[in-house]
Amino acid sequence: DAGVTQSPTHLIKTRGQQVTLRCSPKSGHDTVSWYQQALGQGPQFIFQYYEEEERQRGNFPDRFSGHQFPNYSSELNVNALLLGDSALYLCASSFGTNNYEQYFGPGTRLTVT
Amino acid sequence: KNQVEQSPQSLIILEGKNCTLQCNYTVSPFSNLRWYKQDTGRGPVSLTIMTFSENTKSNGRYTATLDADTKQSSLHITASQLSDSASYICVVSASGNTPLVFGKGTRLSVIA
Repeated sequence: DAGVTQSPTHLIKTRGQQVTLRCSPKSGHDTVSWYQQALGQGPQFIFQYYEEEERQRGNFPDRFSGHQFPNYSSELNVNALLLGDSALYLCASSFGTNNYEQYFGPGTRLTVT
Repeated sequence: KNQVEQSPQSLIILEGKNCTLQCNYTVSPFSNLRWYKQDTGRGPVSLTIMTFSENTKSNGRYTATLDADTKQSSLHITASQLSDSASYICVVSASGNTPLVFGKGTRLSVIA
């Protein structure tokens, strides 16, 4: 039973560029949440996708957008990258939107130079 | 404002010793509280989840307690091992479909 998987593992981008991160949820899960974790901080909620729609959104600008596919996998897109976007991006999956059992992926380390 | 505060910020202990990490929260209405272990650069892994009616839950050498009246929780680690070195994050969920509220974590270092 595969857990939550994310790709790529590491990524280096330049300011102003765009990036796409990918997440496959744990088998049986239909909801995907994305988090940004700066060094030494707790994860910050970006948004949650369920039934291919964004259901909730944290305090992040419109440069952050996402998508969920019919197979429940998800993408996080960030446009016009800033140095401050450098962080570990975590994907978590669950069944339904009540967040009771969220399983996290290993994360994608994004470095913006 | 929903918040989760953890203490201490960091902790160094000798291998084999016990330690206790603290979590205070102001999340309301409360649904459940969970402790995660996060190795550096990796995703968090769930240790325990407790609902309002549970005041203690164990997972091997990890024991979490919850006092919903004072809105406090603790995570006790017994007979620490080098592999326990990690960040421990307290996360609180409010009732309804609302985002989880994360603490900043306690960075634990176990040394030989």
